[in-house]
Amino acid sequence: DAKTTQPNSMESNEEEPVHLPCNHSTISGTDYIHWYRQLPSQGPEYVIHGLTSNVNNRMASLAIAEDRKSSTLILHRATLRDAAVYYCILREGYGGSQGNLIFGKGTKLSVKP
Amino acid sequence: EADIYQTPRYLVIGTGKKITLECSQTMGHDKMYWYQQDPGMELHLIHYSYGVNSTEKGDLSSESTVSRIRTEHFPLTLESARPSHTSQYLCASSERGSFYEQYFGPGTRLTVT
Repeated sequence: DAKTTQPNSMESNEEEPVHLPCNHSTISGTDYIHWYRQLPSQGPEYVIHGLTSNVNNRMASLAIAEDRKSSTLILHRATLRDAAVYYCILREGYGGSQGNLIFGKGTKLSVKP
Repeated sequence: EADIYQTPRYLVIGTGKKITLECSQTMGHDKMYWYQQDPGMELHLIHYSYGVNSTEKGDLSSESTVSRIRTEHFPLTLESARPSHTSQYLCASSERGSFYEQYFGPGTRLTVT
């Protein structure tokens, strides 16, 4: 499985933008880039996903490099409720384990008031 | 709001007991998953199912077993609980395909004494 690399932790100030990086240099052409986050004492929740183009939704934006070897999750205005572990995950497009998520350690985001 | 439920939320049980962790979803999703997560650690996929009568082992070997007799129900069973089974167990569901998000339940925190 293609692997992702994320910083262990990041800090942000409330109401400022946050850019969470992810490297995935061995990504294949059929891999989707997914982001999930896990708030303390909760199950993970979906944030956003993309294949090649940049994506926006009500929670965040996803910027994907042209060569697809890296991506950045952008929270436009961090709030205290955004403090969580953020996971960047590649999902296989084909094969027997299609759709399975392989979680890494993620980036623990702290938000200061 | 995701409609996926897990019971019990917390369970403390003695060594050697048989336990079943319940997971139900009302979204009609074909695919369901069980993950195991130790405190502060990564999530590991232990079981998944493509649909009724389908069960597959995940990336992490587990002594637990699962069944899928109904689309909406995916229980996990431990025949003889041991202290090494102490962990959080998270259930999830999704439609098939790499571009569909997974919805996670709140988890069951299991402690075996």
